[in-house]
Amino acid sequence: SQQGEEDPQALSIQEGENATMNCSYKTSINNLQWYRQNSGRGLVHLILIRSNEREKHSGRLRVTLDTSKKSSSLLITASRAADTASYFCATPPIQGAQKLVFGQGTRLTINP
Amino acid sequence: GAGVSQTPSNKVTEKGKYVELRCDPISGHTALYWYRQSLGQGPEFLIYFQGTGAADDSGLPNDRFFAVRPEGSVSTLKIQRTERGDSAVYLCASSLNRVMNTGELFFGEGSRLTVL
Repeated sequence: SQQGEEDPQALSIQEGENATMNCSYKTSINNLQWYRQNSGRGLVHLILIRSNEREKHSGRLRVTLDTSKKSSSLLITASRAADTASYFCATPPIQGAQKLVFGQGTRLTINP
Repeated sequence: GAGVSQTPSNKVTEKGKYVELRCDPISGHTALYWYRQSLGQGPEFLIYFQGTGAADDSGLPNDRFFAVRPEGSVSTLKIQRTERGDSAVYLCASSLNRVMNTGELFFGEGSRLTVL
């Protein structure tokens, strides 16, 4: 079953621009996580935001969470060619579950 | 090791054969997960171990798939009578803390399975 759904499915921007990806989910959650996957590699954890947090920063990453709309966004500022990757949001399928369900991801391409 | 290790990195087999995929998690991580990822898709949950026991195997697609973790560390995903539709990248992840709290998953590089 799919919990998170990312939007857009693909995004192509110029280096230096900001990239925004959105995620919608269906059930109440304890936390929401964002992961990155370079082509042919495993996933790497980027950031976790708890249900009682509205915004969180990590370097050039900014994540927001709106539990009333069941949505989250990931903003990458001042994008670099090395940011080219797929980005996934992940949540437990039901509150308290000990597993993560991933969306289909946003494929981000940064053009030099 | 420093990270999650998966072997083999690539496996090509013929339809009907038996396959084993191995995962060595980060030392001390009690939770271990198997996911399957098809091209252009997100990871699909298969099974989750807490220690030696399978706490949630609801994602295993059918009884041809089985996973073990006999000593609470290394895990093996076993696929019997492989079918072409089993072709995918099989990802293993481990976690120190419970996912519902602060449990980020640490992923291996995956085992790419191709069934001819």
